[in-house]
Amino acid sequence: GAVVSQHPSWVICKSGTSVKIECRSLDFQATTMFWYRQFPKQSLMLMATSNEGSKATYEQGVEKDKFLINHASLTLSTLTVTSAHPEDSSFYICSARDRRRGGGGSADTQYFGPGTRLTVL
Amino acid sequence: DQQVKQNSPSLSVQEGRISILNCDYTNSMFDYFLWYKKYPAEGPTFLISISSIKDKNEDGRFTVFLNKSAKHLSLHIVPSQPGDSAVYFCAASGVSSNTGKLIFGQGTTLQVKP
Repeated sequence: GAVVSQHPSWVICKSGTSVKIECRSLDFQATTMFWYRQFPKQSLMLMATSNEGSKATYEQGVEKDKFLINHASLTLSTLTVTSAHPEDSSFYICSARDRRRGGGGSADTQYFGPGTRLTVL
Repeated sequence: DQQVKQNSPSLSVQEGRISILNCDYTNSMFDYFLWYKKYPAEGPTFLISISSIKDKNEDGRFTVFLNKSAKHLSLHIVPSQPGDSAVYFCAASGVSSNTGKLIFGQGTTLQVKP
């Protein structure tokens, strides 16, 4: 159980276009999903917390108008990179919080999707 | 301010021996700790976790130890296998943050030699 999928696994786009990445929890409901970005040989950087039915919470330094997050259902969150530029090229990873496995609060485990490699030309 | 630190960027061990990966944290409000394994171009895979009310948790070849007074945790892999070669991240979260946000260390690259 606790499988998270991402689509697409990789995408190449032209500068100025927008790209949408989907994150789905396949066998559990996730009221909270997280979006991370990873640069080569670096740790995962949390971009934003996506809450079902409400606005996302962005980390400091992350442009919310640039990275649009929508969490329309308990199993789907989307990240749209708007007007993408080459510096947005990165590995984007989502995770979903499986509240079944803990007693709530911080004892919840996050399960990660396989990631999406975005290359902006 | 790096709240979770993995001071060893890499570790190399022989197949069959023990691998010990270390992690230090600074925030005493953290109460839940996790280890993830990551291959290149893939998402992290959950390995094992531990709550601050315990000092040890074991799952097969993986054991995590927590020393709260030292704010230190470690992951032991016994016996190590070549397929264990990957980047290992420790992560922490705190009861004060009911958002479930995880703070990750920088990762340690483990190489298990046949």
